[in-house]
Amino acid sequence: SAVISQKPSRDICQRGTSLTIQCQVDSQVTMMFWYRQQPGQSLTLIATANQGSEATYESGFVIDKFPISRPNLTFSTLTVSNMSPEDSSIYLCSVAGGEANEKLFFGSGTQLSVL
Amino acid sequence: GENVEQHPSTLSVQEGDSAVIKCTYSDSASNYFPWYKQELGKGPQLIIDIRSNVGEKKDQRIAVTLNKTAKHFSLHITETQPEDSAVYFCAASRDSGYALNFGKGTSLLVTP
Repeated sequence: SAVISQKPSRDICQRGTSLTIQCQVDSQVTMMFWYRQQPGQSLTLIATANQGSEATYESGFVIDKFPISRPNLTFSTLTVSNMSPEDSSIYLCSVAGGEANEKLFFGSGTQLSVL
Repeated sequence: GENVEQHPSTLSVQEGDSAVIKCTYSDSASNYFPWYKQELGKGPQLIIDIRSNVGEKKDQRIAVTLNKTAKHFSLHITETQPEDSAVYFCAASRDSGYALNFGKGTSLLVTP
């Protein structure tokens, strides 16, 4: 499976500021995704990061709040904008892999706390 | 849409005992069922998966069973060890591994 590096691993931010999370993969991958995991909760898909075009967002998530970049097949960023305490979560980058891209692999996550 | 229910939410077993975690799904078109293990401070790690054309799959101490008729699947861990302590998530999807719907997780504690 691909090695997925995510940074920062954790951050504490002030309300109203923005944080950009980076995801680097050690090989070219077609599909990259961003998930959110709220405290003690399961994983929720935020969006699919499309290379060379705008990200595809899931219901409840919008580009103004979570802008995503995907400049190439190995890198993506997720920005959490105008943060509030409700944005405190783990944010996870993931990529599809396996013989038919049927398996999903996750990075180590970014633990975000908003004060 | 797909709804995945996972039970129990917490599970405590003695080292050496078996642990079983169960999930049900609602979408009869789902055909891919992975299980993830998440340790504290880490991202989820894929530990085993099964497709709907298979009823059971085993990998050393872990196994997954699938009952398509009843729309439920289970994770079985035998000879548990303290290192198995983690949160386990089940998931289901229709056509691809990335459009996953996750269960709410089971916190497994294996005591020596």
